Amino acid sequence: GQNIDQPTEMTATEGAIVQINCTYQTSGFNGLFWYQQHAGEAPTFLSYNVLDGLEEKGRFSSFLSRSKGYSYLLLKELQMKDSASYLCAVMDSNYQLIWGAGTKLIIKP
Amino acid sequence: GAVVSQHPSWVICKSGTSVKIECRSLDFQATTMFWYRQFPKQSLMLMATSNEGSKATYEQGVEKDKFLINHASLTLSTLTVTSAHPEDSSFYICSARISGGAEEQFFGPGTRLTVL
Repeated sequence: GQNIDQPTEMTATEGAIVQINCTYQTSGFNGLFWYQQHAGEAPTFLSYNVLDGLEEKGRFSSFLSRSKGYSYLLLKELQMKDSASYLCAVMDSNYQLIWGAGTKLIIKP
Repeated sequence: GAVVSQHPSWVICKSGTSVKIECRSLDFQATTMFWYRQFPKQSLMLMATSNEGSKATYEQGVEKDKFLINHASLTLSTLTVTSAHPEDSSFYICSARISGGAEEQFFGPGTRLTVL
């Protein structure tokens, strides 16, 4: 079957760095997405990786290793507004998005 | 760019009534739109994939006669929850993929449905 694993919840301190891991097992691979979702709101796009390596976008970076079925989202200089759920999703061979359950990130002052 | 709107943002209805939710891509054409449902503290669950001009593809366990999807144009898809019951209360979110574009999905703001 298809499976996306990510931690349920993480806690970090304002100003610090946090890494949210995602491992996946899917039938085929056409890219991995990270989305941010604040409570009661729809997800917003953060990043897309289809090749191995690190993609940096401001305070957020996303890494992919296809051979390991592994990705992480790195958030630097954490701000209180970064408190949200972070969803990892993989596009399979049918171009269907397979979603992880999300990681709830709690930022403490 | 790539803005998706949903209407209504929230709706409260009585059990047994039908509710229609609209999803519009405002500044791009979307051959494919997706309908998701999300229960509290759970991840997104894909309900169906809506293709312009053809029948929607429903996920296993989703009743096509209960959740009617119409994708009549490249900018509009509608989801109608027929004979709604309290267990249908959820957050319904649509997303759209730009026709001929990358694989990224752009999400609407969601519709919170409460069935009394």
